[in-house]
Amino acid sequence: GAVVSQHPSWVICKSGTSVKIECRSLDFQATTMFWYRQFPKQSLMLMATSNEGSKATYEQGVEKDKFLINHASLTLSTLTVTSAHPEDSSFYICSARTSVDYEQYFGPGTRLTVT
Amino acid sequence: GQNIDQPTEMTATEGAIVQINCTYQTSGFNGLFWYQQHAGEAPTFLSYNVLDGLEEKGRFSSFLSRSKGYSYLLLKELQMKDSASYLCAVVDSNYQLIWGAGTKLIIKP
Repeated sequence: GAVVSQHPSWVICKSGTSVKIECRSLDFQATTMFWYRQFPKQSLMLMATSNEGSKATYEQGVEKDKFLINHASLTLSTLTVTSAHPEDSSFYICSARTSVDYEQYFGPGTRLTVT
Repeated sequence: GQNIDQPTEMTATEGAIVQINCTYQTSGFNGLFWYQQHAGEAPTFLSYNVLDGLEEKGRFSSFLSRSKGYSYLLLKELQMKDSASYLCAVVDSNYQLIWGAGTKLIIKP
């Protein structure tokens, strides 16, 4: 149980375009979903926390107008990288948590390359 | 501020034992997680400690001392596949996960 999927697993896009990444909890209801970014050889960096049906809470330094997060249902959250730039190239990982415990279940990640 | 410290990198020999330490200073404490992350992959859950003491799970064990703000992950009978980064994360008073930078473990034959 507690499986989280992400789609796509990798994407290449041109500078200036937008990319949407989906995160789904397949066998449980995720009251809270988290979006992380990880650059090579660095630790996870929390970008934002989203609760179903409410606006996401962004970490300091993360532009909410650039990284649009929607948590429309208890099983789906999306991250849209708008007007992507090469420096946005990174590994984006989502995780989901139930209302019962603190463990975060991670998706497999999405590798974004902006050319 | 909130702070979690782990060694950046450790090296060990196949078949040996290694202990990865984690010290933390956080606003509140609601448990500590250890995750394993292989290069290019998402983290996977290893253990969760909320009470003091040692939790053993196969070749992996995790220890917690809340009074000392200290935890360690003990890996026994090391295998080459254990080469990965090991992340320590603490649940703070707001029930948020505060992540350490991770310890890269290199296993040599």
